[in-house]
Amino acid sequence: NAGVTQTPKFQVLKTGQSMTLQCAQDMNHEYMSWYRQDPGMGLRLIHYSVGAGITDQGEVPNGYNVSRSTTEDFPLRLLSAAPSQTSVYFCASSLAPEASGNTIYFGEGSWLTVV
Amino acid sequence: GENVEQHPSTLSVQEGDSAVIKCTYSDSASNYFPWYKQELGKRPQLIIDIRSNVGEKKDQRIAVTLNKTAKHFSLHITETQPEDSAVYFCAASSGGGADGLTFGKGTHLIIQP
Repeated sequence: NAGVTQTPKFQVLKTGQSMTLQCAQDMNHEYMSWYRQDPGMGLRLIHYSVGAGITDQGEVPNGYNVSRSTTEDFPLRLLSAAPSQTSVYFCASSLAPEASGNTIYFGEGSWLTVV
Repeated sequence: GENVEQHPSTLSVQEGDSAVIKCTYSDSASNYFPWYKQELGKRPQLIIDIRSNVGEKKDQRIAVTLNKTAKHFSLHITETQPEDSAVYFCAASSGGGADGLTFGKGTHLIIQP
């Protein structure tokens, strides 16, 4: 049981490049989400998904795309990287809210620098 | 949308003393309030959470209180220890936490030996 796995852990991109941050969970969780964390800030929600085939926008969705083709995977795509997207990205997952013990599990984070 | 304010941004206490961190939220529909501890370079770790049908919850040295009328909740750490030094974040959600959390900006807790 690996929990929530994010790759890559570190990445440097040039402005205008595109890339995908991968997130996978092996806990059969319905709900998955992506956050970004900037220095001195709390985490801010980018996109979330309540199940396979369903995604929705969070607080800061611009410049990012997501898809949820399987329960296990929730990749985050940067379409055309900008320096403002330099941040630490965290993926998270949890059971449906009706379930007991609804703990949200975070991945270890992906450090992204856009130059 | 939801807005969460957290105070103070930095808190320094003597080892063995108590620490209190306070948060307010704006959305009266919010019903789930977790607290996370984050050490430098690490992922946030859930330390305690409370749902809106409960006013207080305790787990050893950590307790959380919730005042739904005033829309604020607080984290209380007693008998602080050096390993309690970290950044603490409060958060709120109206979907039980599963459709996204709104975080406060964090409190850097420093335990002075």
